[in-house]
Amino acid sequence: LAKTTQPISMDSYEGQEVNITCSHNNIATNDYITWYQQFPSQGPRFIIQGYKTKVTNEVASLFIPADRKSSTLSLPRVSLSDTAVYYCLVGSNQAGTALIFGKGTTLSVSS
Amino acid sequence: GAVVSQHPSWVICKSGTSVKIECRSLDFQATTMFWYRQFPKQSLMLMATSNEGSKATYEQGVEKDKFLINHASLTLSTLTVTSAHPEDSSFYICSARDSGKDRNTEAFFGQGTRLTVV
Repeated sequence: LAKTTQPISMDSYEGQEVNITCSHNNIATNDYITWYQQFPSQGPRFIIQGYKTKVTNEVASLFIPADRKSSTLSLPRVSLSDTAVYYCLVGSNQAGTALIFGKGTTLSVSS
Repeated sequence: GAVVSQHPSWVICKSGTSVKIECRSLDFQATTMFWYRQFPKQSLMLMATSNEGSKATYEQGVEKDKFLINHASLTLSTLTVTSAHPEDSSFYICSARDSGKDRNTEAFFGQGTRLTVV
């Protein structure tokens, strides 16, 4: 499975846009890029998934360049409740395949 | 949306006893479920892959005789921590994907189980 590298931590203020970039230089052709959010003492929660170009949903956008060696999670207008750990994962999205977690990025949002 | 439910959410047990954690997929079937362990301030570490009707596959360094996994139905997997010791205290999380979908399957996670061994 492709290894991912993301910043250990980021700080932001309420109302700002936050962009978290993840590097995955060894991504395979069939790999998808998925981002999860985790609050303390809770299981991870799916945010967004993409294969290439741009994906947008009600909570975030995911930007993937043509070479797919990196991706950027964009959180518009963050609030205090967005303080969490964000994980970038790369791998197959088939049912029998486990997700392998990297270290994640701890996002701290202040008022 | 699809939900994965774990029970209990937290448990305290005495050293030497065994604890069973249940993981259920509530509105989809999962021939495969995954068990993770997470220590404070660390990421999730995959412990084992639970396979319905067959033996679980354990990651390197995880003792299969200590962490017993049973996947008796398409919606239920259990993890039993046997002869628990304080070092087994951790946050255990299960995950599953819809086996009815061949691809583009989102992985759903349970809420986690906080195990404290005293």
